[in-house]
Amino acid sequence: EDQVTQSPEALRLQEGESSSLNCSYTVSGLRGLFWYRQDPGKGPEFLFTLYSAGEEKEKERLKATLTKKESFLHITAPKPEDSATYLCAVLPWDYKLSFGAGTTVTVRA
Amino acid sequence: GAGVSQSPRYKVAKRGQDVALRCDPISGHVSLFWYQQALGQGPEFLTYFQNEAQLDKSGLPSDRFFAERPEGSVSTLKIQRTQQEDSAVYLCASSLGRNRGAYNEQFFGPGTRLTVL
Repeated sequence: EDQVTQSPEALRLQEGESSSLNCSYTVSGLRGLFWYRQDPGKGPEFLFTLYSAGEEKEKERLKATLTKKESFLHITAPKPEDSATYLCAVLPWDYKLSFGAGTTVTVRA
Repeated sequence: GAGVSQSPRYKVAKRGQDVALRCDPISGHVSLFWYQQALGQGPEFLTYFQNEAQLDKSGLPSDRFFAERPEGSVSTLKIQRTQQEDSAVYLCASSLGRNRGAYNEQFFGPGTRLTVL
């Protein structure tokens, strides 16, 4: 059975304190892995798509990487406005999209 | 520019009532998805439309759930005889692409929070 596990569940950071979020997956034939950001009371906002192991994408203070078993979302020198829940989702060969439960990041000034 | 809109934003229903949730996708977006999100969880896939065709409804939890997109734009998710376990946020998303491209860069609406008493 396809599974997506995100860790940690919650992360509290001081402003400027870099860290990484993990998304581990077991799927049959990965077609794509997606990262989204979700603010309270809002729908998810697209961040990145990764298709193959070794691929990396960057946007401002965020960098996503992909291996055959997991993806990392690195947050460099975070600011309070980076506080949100970060969701990853995997698309396996049969197009059954699965989201993880998310990592809630809180950045204190 | 206008994003994905959903209405109503909040809906309270008594157990056994029927509800209809509306989604207005971004104009020109071919693909449309419905998700159910429980508190503290990620979205769970319900159904997928490509234009007016419902290509995948495997995530609909029971035959009480029905979705349509008759003209390939606005979509409605209908839940008949609501139960307490249907309480959740229902999210709609649209995208430009089709097939594998449909899943890339989905634009989500704000969701409808359904509470069944």
